[in-house]
Amino acid sequence: SQELEQSPQSLIVQEGKNLTINCTSSKTLYGLYWYKQKYGEGLIFLMMLQKGGEEKSHEKITAKLDEKKQQSSLHITASQPSHAGIYLCGAENTGNQFYFGTGTSLTVIP
Amino acid sequence: EPEVTQTPSHQVTQMGQEVILRCVPISNHLYFYWYRQILGQKVEFLVSFYNNEISEKSEIFDDQFSVERPDGSNFTLKIRSTKLEDSAMYFCASRLQGAGEQFFGPGTRLTVL
Repeated sequence: SQELEQSPQSLIVQEGKNLTINCTSSKTLYGLYWYKQKYGEGLIFLMMLQKGGEEKSHEKITAKLDEKKQQSSLHITASQPSHAGIYLCGAENTGNQFYFGTGTSLTVIP
Repeated sequence: EPEVTQTPSHQVTQMGQEVILRCVPISNHLYFYWYRQILGQKVEFLVSFYNNEISEKSEIFDDQFSVERPDGSNFTLKIRSTKLEDSAMYFCASRLQGAGEQFFGPGTRLTVL
């Protein structure tokens, strides 16, 4: 089965600081998704990456997929308290099963 | 903006009872999913559904689970005889195509006593 490992497991940063979350797959990814989950709530789609070397940005969040398509990073610039939550990477296998990573809990201190 | 809705938001049941969790996907979406998240653990895929049939299911989705799209709008997850370990948050999701963004509902918290 496909495994997605995220690091770090949790992160506490001061408001205004930059941060990076990593997602590593045991197999080649055919599509990598980033979601955000607020505590006790549903998942909000952030970005999807498909091609090796692809990079996408939305507001202050940038996601990249490496050339080998086994690693992705999510970078937040000048973090704000609204960025707090759990960040999840996700991918699907050829059998249309969707897997989520272990999650990274982000706390932003004002 | 269209959204996925789920009812109830919280369900408490006795062990051995049947529960039905309900979801209303976005109206023009064709692919439907159920996930669960046990407290403190990661979100786990349960089942995907397309064209009125299950397209994929995980090892978690055993004979105690079933899904149905009884009409044009609802998508339900039934657990026939609940166990303590079924206590979790259950998320429904839908999407228009077989790839791309999945839209998630807010979840139903199931507590089995």
